[in-house]
Amino acid sequence: AQSVTQLGSHVSVSEGALVLLRCNYSSSVPPYLFWYVQYPNQGLQLLLKYTTGATLVKGINGFEAEFKKSETSFHLTKPSAHMSDAAEYFCAVSYYNAGGTSYGKLTFGQGTILTVHP
Amino acid sequence: DTAVSQTPKYLVTQMGNDKSIKCEQNLGHDTMYWYKQDSKKFLKIMFSYNNKELIINETVPNRFSPKSPDKAHLNLHINSLELGDSAVYFCASSPRGAGMDTEAFFGQGTRLTVV
Repeated sequence: AQSVTQLGSHVSVSEGALVLLRCNYSSSVPPYLFWYVQYPNQGLQLLLKYTTGATLVKGINGFEAEFKKSETSFHLTKPSAHMSDAAEYFCAVSYYNAGGTSYGKLTFGQGTILTVHP
Repeated sequence: DTAVSQTPKYLVTQMGNDKSIKCEQNLGHDTMYWYKQDSKKFLKIMFSYNNKELIINETVPNRFSPKSPDKAHLNLHINSLELGDSAVYFCASSPRGAGMDTEAFFGQGTRLTVV
């Protein structure tokens, strides 16, 4: 079974500071990993995803994440926070099921609320 | 053009009522989903349909019944609503055949409040 743990339900940074949101996963098969962002009263928007290949993945809005298999982690970073980054961030995992029954089913972490101070 | 659209956006209803939430996607995707986000913002899949066929049915009370009249639509009907059904319900879609690496595209959500 898959699971996702996001360390820290709330993260607060100053504008211009480094953003680091932590995500660890467990999966018995090679995972596909995603970060989604949710702005207040809106749906989820994909920030970036890791499938195969390069372990450092770049996404939208200056975010990137690195897949570290040995640490079962997929932490999200941004070098310099902007006020507009304030939102809730969700890490999610999916995996390919040869039986075809998962069909992209996402298992989500519990979310991390990012607050950016001026 | 909205890719995944849900109606209504807000729904307030009394316990015991029956209500439906509609979802439509214009992305040409074959697979659609319903996710529930509870008061603690935890997101969990409820159902998935692939080309009108139910393929994922998580442990959801049978008061919840999804219906897919065609692959562009996936509606959620809820009978005998309970207070615990209050949540935000998200519809999503993803392309078939793109492997499990494809992302899901989410609608704006329907905030259901049962009073």
